[in-house]
Amino acid sequence: GAGVSQSPSNKVTEKGKDVELRCDPISGHTALYWYRQRLGQGLEFLIYFQGNSAPDKSGLPSDRFSAERTGESVSTLTIQRTQQEDSAVYLCASSPANRVSSYTFGSGTRLTVV
Amino acid sequence: GENVEQHPSTLSVQEGDSAVIKCTYSDSASNYFPWYKQELGKRPQLIIDIRSNVGEKKDQRIAVTLNKTAKHFSLHITETQPEDSAVYFCAASIAYSSASKIIFGSGTRLSIRP
Repeated sequence: GAGVSQSPSNKVTEKGKDVELRCDPISGHTALYWYRQRLGQGLEFLIYFQGNSAPDKSGLPSDRFSAERTGESVSTLTIQRTQQEDSAVYLCASSPANRVSSYTFGSGTRLTVV
Repeated sequence: GENVEQHPSTLSVQEGDSAVIKCTYSDSASNYFPWYKQELGKRPQLIIDIRSNVGEKKDQRIAVTLNKTAKHFSLHITETQPEDSAVYFCAASIAYSSASKIIFGSGTRLSIRP
């Protein structure tokens, strides 16, 4: 597609439920990144996929968070047993291999845990 | 890993005046420093970037400077206009690396007073 696509755009869930957030990167972009942005806060790195290499999971805040990516396409970020502090906008970005200068962000998924 | 500090967190300037945002980074291997602008409710957009082989780069009213020795870099906006009001993020990364991600500063909320 023309840009990074994320779905859903908004998600309201009850505390304790699991949620799945989806990211479709730009075609041909082998690198994919997830960030979390709490209200009024900065961009917190979560996880990074690059081709077939092992993902960099160093930013995942707890074992309730996990992400998968199928080849060089879609990625899913899963949050289990959601807590209110998980409420945030989850942003996905993609770039071609070895070209972070071409980072492109999706429009994000706004997650609200009630 | 890389750590990026950004100051100030909020900045208010009179329309027409200049605004300066400063950042420091910790990883001496970082060689790519982008700046992103995020308007309310929108995704971050790249506005300018600088690589470690140059000390300054300009694009119309925006300029960035880099001091590799001190690990400092700054964004300068001259002749500020109302549409410059947004949150600005500095970032650092290792370009052309197979294992790179962009680490962001905490953001500066810039307000332009009419």
